[in-house]
Amino acid sequence: DGGITQSPKYLFRKEGQNVTLSCEQNLNHDAMYWYRQDPGQGLRLIYYSQIVNDFQKGDIAEGYSVSREKKESFPLTVTSAQKNPTAFYLCASSIGLGKTDEQFFGPGTRLTVL
Amino acid sequence: EDQVTQSPEALRLQEGESSSLNCSYTVSGLRGLFWYRQDPGKGPEFLFTLYSAGEEKEKERLKATLTKKESFLHITAPKPEDSATYLCAVLRKDSGYALNFGKGTSLLVTP
Repeated sequence: DGGITQSPKYLFRKEGQNVTLSCEQNLNHDAMYWYRQDPGQGLRLIYYSQIVNDFQKGDIAEGYSVSREKKESFPLTVTSAQKNPTAFYLCASSIGLGKTDEQFFGPGTRLTVL
Repeated sequence: EDQVTQSPEALRLQEGESSSLNCSYTVSGLRGLFWYRQDPGKGPEFLFTLYSAGEEKEKERLKATLTKKESFLHITAPKPEDSATYLCAVLRKDSGYALNFGKGTSLLVTP
């Protein structure tokens, strides 16, 4: 089955630690995105990548980092510099390359900072 | 700056009671408007894409329509399983075709 997987589903982190959230897709999509969702707010864009080995900052990139070494994978690292990391993180992908097709979302990772 | 506003924030319906959700937007050139359904603790599930004013899409009890300023998601004779948060989003001109989301409408359908 084609789709997007995110792991882990739940993640707990102590203050001062970096953590990496996994996102994998087997849809052969070029574009991948990371969004953050907080209660009462819309999804906000953290980073996006339109092609392998290239990525761009979104609206709230401070305290986060990404890599795109493979087409299928777009991991997100939440660093200790992120002041309010507790949130629901969603990864998405789309065909990309300038096409306005729908984005498909993964199941999400809920990160809690203790 | 592109903006997406959804109303109402929350809606409670009785089973079979039809209604509409609103999504108003301000964008400098609409490239696409999307509707998603999100269940608690899960990722959004794609419902519809609308590209131009006058366009309509249907799926089971849901029908999405688009004008130059807003989109409506009409729910006909809803069932309890339609309870979810419905998200509206527009494609951004910048940011590699990322989506600009509204805050969503939380729908509860009671038996």
